[in-house]
Amino acid sequence: KQEVTQIPAALSVPEGENLVLNCSFTDSAIYNLQWFRQDPGKGLTSLLLIQSSQREQTSGRLNASLDKSSGRSTLYIAASQPGDSATYLCAVRGGGTSYGKLTFGQGTILTVHP
Amino acid sequence: GAVVSQHPSWVICKSGTSVKIECRSLDFQATTMFWYRQFPKQSLMLMATSNEGSKATYEQGVEKDKFLINHASLTLSTLTVTSAHPEDSSFYICSAPPSGTYEQYFGPGTRLTVT
Repeated sequence: KQEVTQIPAALSVPEGENLVLNCSFTDSAIYNLQWFRQDPGKGLTSLLLIQSSQREQTSGRLNASLDKSSGRSTLYIAASQPGDSATYLCAVRGGGTSYGKLTFGQGTILTVHP
Repeated sequence: GAVVSQHPSWVICKSGTSVKIECRSLDFQATTMFWYRQFPKQSLMLMATSNEGSKATYEQGVEKDKFLINHASLTLSTLTVTSAHPEDSSFYICSAPPSGTYEQYFGPGTRLTVT
């Protein structure tokens, strides 16, 4: 059974800092990995999707890497802003019989203070 | 980008009643939709996979007779919580990948409170 772990559970940083969020998964037979942002009481916004054959994806100040063999992904946020405050979730999409299903981590609660 | 809507966004109901939640893909067709549940300060847990024109597939531990899923068209899936109890109070979120693609788009969620 796939398990996804995110570290740290919570992070508080001053505005302007570069930061790294970590995600690990136990079964490397994944189809892709996706990073999401969730604001309190809201749905999910997709940030980046990395296919299993890819090593990283970039969008603006966000960069996500994937090391499938070691079961790890990192989300790098450059020059953090108060508007980045949210819960960040990573999710892996299984292959084989688990195809299409997303398994989520517990999330990292990020607070960026001015 | 692809848009998924949910209705209602929040609902309060009395214990023992049934509640229907709709999930719609607004600008794309989805043969498959997924239903998740999220308890406070916890992550999303997949409840079931909704398949257009066929029976839903439920995850282990999810009661199919309590959480009725109907995927009657390529743009609509419904989740009905039957005989709701306070422990069913949660945030329910649906997602859908456009047919032929793999990236999932999530609805805004429905907050259910059972009193």
